[in-house]
Amino acid sequence: DAMVIQNPRYQVTQFGKPVTLSCSQTLNHNVMYWYQQKSSQAPKLLFHYYDKDFNNEADTPDNFQSRRPNTSFCFLDIRSPGLGDAAMYLCATSRQIGLAGAPDTQYFGPGTRLTVL
Amino acid sequence: AQKVTQAQTEISVVEKEDVTLDCVYETRDTTYYLFWYKQPPSGELVFLIRRNSFDEQNEISGRYSWNFQKSTSSFNFTITASQVVDSAVYFCALSEAGPEAAGNKLTFGGGTRVLVKP
Repeated sequence: DAMVIQNPRYQVTQFGKPVTLSCSQTLNHNVMYWYQQKSSQAPKLLFHYYDKDFNNEADTPDNFQSRRPNTSFCFLDIRSPGLGDAAMYLCATSRQIGLAGAPDTQYFGPGTRLTVL
Repeated sequence: AQKVTQAQTEISVVEKEDVTLDCVYETRDTTYYLFWYKQPPSGELVFLIRRNSFDEQNEISGRYSWNFQKSTSSFNFTITASQVVDSAVYFCALSEAGPEAAGNKLTFGGGTRVLVKP
């Protein structure tokens, strides 16, 4: 089945120790997103890739970076995790044809729950 | 700017009762898309429905139904004969179309937690 996969499902890191979360997809979608979701809150978009073009949200801290080496994979790097970065991180994908294309459905992975000690 | 409001933060029902989740949205665009997602305790956001602004037909899928009313900017969701497995957080979301919408950003409501007791 085509899907969005996130690894690991649970990640524990230490304060200030860099951590990388990964996302892969078999849907062949051209758009990939990273969301941060804190307890009892809605997901908050950090950034997204439209093909190879990186689009950062204005309020995403510099501490968060992303890489997309190919269509299938996307990584979220947290350079110096703080206690406030503990959250669920959700990856999503969608297909969009053209910049003015109709929004297609975003399909989400199972998420990675990050704990910062 | 677009906004989605889910006024109900938590709803508790007994199994087999019907439950309706309210969603009210704001947008200045004439073309937009509305979504509902389910987030069970496992954490994954599960897509339920997508509806564009030109399609006001109500939709039924099994025990789920949706009522879209442009006149009141609402897109409400009803679960009929609820089951324990329906316990989850449900999010309503809005996405606009157009050149500025590259990447199809979703604006989420705050979510409604549904607890179905046996």
